[in-house]
Amino acid sequence: QKEVEQDPGPLSVPEGAIVSLNCTYSNSAFQYFMWYRQYSRKGPELLMYTYSSGNKEDGRFTAQVDKSSKYISLFIRDSQPSDSATYLCAMDDPGNTGKLIFGQGTTLQVKP
Amino acid sequence: AAGVIQSPRHLIKEKRETATLKCYPIPRHDTVYWYQQGPGQDPQFLISFYEKMQSDKGSIPDRFSAQQFSDYHSELNMSSLELGDSALYFCASSSSATDTDTQYFGPGTRLTVL
Repeated sequence: QKEVEQDPGPLSVPEGAIVSLNCTYSNSAFQYFMWYRQYSRKGPELLMYTYSSGNKEDGRFTAQVDKSSKYISLFIRDSQPSDSATYLCAMDDPGNTGKLIFGQGTTLQVKP
Repeated sequence: AAGVIQSPRHLIKEKRETATLKCYPIPRHDTVYWYQQGPGQDPQFLISFYEKMQSDKGSIPDRFSAQQFSDYHSELNMSSLELGDSALYFCASSSSATDTDTQYFGPGTRLTVL
């Protein structure tokens, strides 16, 4: 079993919909939680960065971390066709070496 | 703002050949990470360097080696290439001077082994 689980989708929504993306993890030592967006054949782009539990909002994006449930979420409001990409959750290695452990990524398609 | 630069962007090699991938981190970033991403897979950590010293090693084959140079750029050397080495190779950089150590990824090198 992978340390970080993420439903690969694909997830298809109409433009303007609220999108919910989720990851679960098994290692309670994870402290830093990130969401990356990756367009086809491009490098991952950092979207959101959260430390420990709580919410963080940036424009149309909201990241939530629930450490008690080992569950993180990314919400996208008023989704746009340009949001169509693969979204990867990532967590820091508890050994504090900085390496990231990624989820499998969820492919999102926002239809006009 | 300057981003992570990787070269080449695309590379085609034959089996058993050697490849060298280069990474130029964001200016003033002192830490470099290498990841391998197979088709439809998540990025897998290979190796990292901090201040020119190897800081961590992941699932990197013995056929691969890497180093970080005095100007902080890094090179990933891959020998005796196998078909299974075909993947996207990403370099990421971060700065130990920040509180978050956020990693910023380059555009990747797509390696195809024939």
